[in-house]
Amino acid sequence: DSGVTQTPKHLITATGQRVTLRCSPRSGDLSVYWYQQSLDQGLQFLIQYYNGEERAKGNILERFSAQQFPDLHSELNLSSLELGDSALYFCASSAAGGGIDYGYTFGSGTRLTVV
Amino acid sequence: AQSVTQLGSHVSVSEGALVLLRCNYSSSVPPYLFWYVQYPNQGLQLLLKYTTGATLVKGINGFEAEFKKSETSFHLTKPSAHMSDAAEYFCAVTGAYYGGATNKLIFGTGTLLAVQP
Repeated sequence: DSGVTQTPKHLITATGQRVTLRCSPRSGDLSVYWYQQSLDQGLQFLIQYYNGEERAKGNILERFSAQQFPDLHSELNLSSLELGDSALYFCASSAAGGGIDYGYTFGSGTRLTVV
Repeated sequence: AQSVTQLGSHVSVSEGALVLLRCNYSSSVPPYLFWYVQYPNQGLQLLLKYTTGATLVKGINGFEAEFKKSETSFHLTKPSAHMSDAAEYFCAVTGAYYGGATNKLIFGTGTLLAVQP
């Protein structure tokens, strides 16, 4: 157990639907990062939150959004789902938001299948 | 900006043989470099990291990597492969930013290591 909890582990949904993925960071970590892993795109950085504020944005589609709540858990919302959104979505956390950092701790991921 | 190139998407070695997984990076600031391992249907686990100081870094499971600035490389090695090393390995880079900038990790495309008996 890495200390980063992601739910659900698996999600199957239809095209056009909306889903929410949840991540609880490791205790004491202030930063949460979301990554998408697919066979054709590899590991793509989506977005980072630090202590409730958006810190960096990567290759995140406009149909996707995220937030980090006061208790530091984060949610990734995916809407108007397409077949191509099927992927493994990882959350990671780290103690720092900027400056020197020494790597993340990853959760075990949510496997999203859009049918 | 940073980027990582992993040479060889698939590497196959015999059990007991040397493992060498190649990673070259590009970074506009002093880099921090990482190797992660991903076993099937699992998340990513940190193998080792280079931040500052000693350029030869030792990690878990007998792996090590050497930071070579002149070659912009951070290759992963293990003297003797074990069947349990079969997994996908990712090299990643972030920058030594200060003052609140993001420290997002940029990953390579991964190398799938197969270990033959």
